[in-house]
Amino acid sequence: RKEVEQDPGPFNVPEGATVAFNCTYSNSASQSFFWYRQDCRKEPKLLMSVYSSGNEDGRFTAQLNRASQYISLLIRDSKLSDSATYLCVVNSGGGADGLTFGKGTHLIIQP
Amino acid sequence: DGGITQSPKYLFRKEGQNVTLSCEQNLNHDAMYWYRQDPGQGLRLIYYSQIVNDFQKGDIAEGYSVSREKKESFPLTVTSAQKNPTAFYLCASSSDRPPGYGYTFGSGTRLTVV
Repeated sequence: RKEVEQDPGPFNVPEGATVAFNCTYSNSASQSFFWYRQDCRKEPKLLMSVYSSGNEDGRFTAQLNRASQYISLLIRDSKLSDSATYLCVVNSGGGADGLTFGKGTHLIIQP
Repeated sequence: DGGITQSPKYLFRKEGQNVTLSCEQNLNHDAMYWYRQDPGQGLRLIYYSQIVNDFQKGDIAEGYSVSREKKESFPLTVTSAQKNPTAFYLCASSSDRPPGYGYTFGSGTRLTVV
């Protein structure tokens, strides 16, 4: 199975700061990319899809670099409620067995 | 509202017992998946099904079994052959083959061996 790699953190960031983290993927044929958010002992929830042109949703910006095979997530004006684990997710290049999940980056926003 | 329901939320299994985790969706999704998550680890694929009456093994299928008799239902049985079953089990569904728009997850079942 192709891999998705993330820095596990934790990233300790003061409230109001900007934080960014990346993930790399090994399957160059991958076509769809996502960031999921997972709170402690809860299920992952889709935060945003990642498009080639980059996309923004409020304080969150996602970028895709196909040449270098990495995806980034930028969070501006971080809130205490942003504390969670962020999972980088990639489709398996056309396979029917679904998405490949990174192990997640743990983010802690400090007051 | 449409969604995925997993039950029970917490499950305790004795050594040597088989247990079945329920997963039901009313999203009219074709594809359904079972994942296992261990503390500090990513999601690992156990089984998946793209259509009724068909399912495929994922990366860690040993000690597990599934069925897909109805589109809405994809139960997972953890058999006594699974030597380390304590984990968080997540069921997901998707309307794409392969999933282009992400998954919807159930709220999970936390299984503990006692």
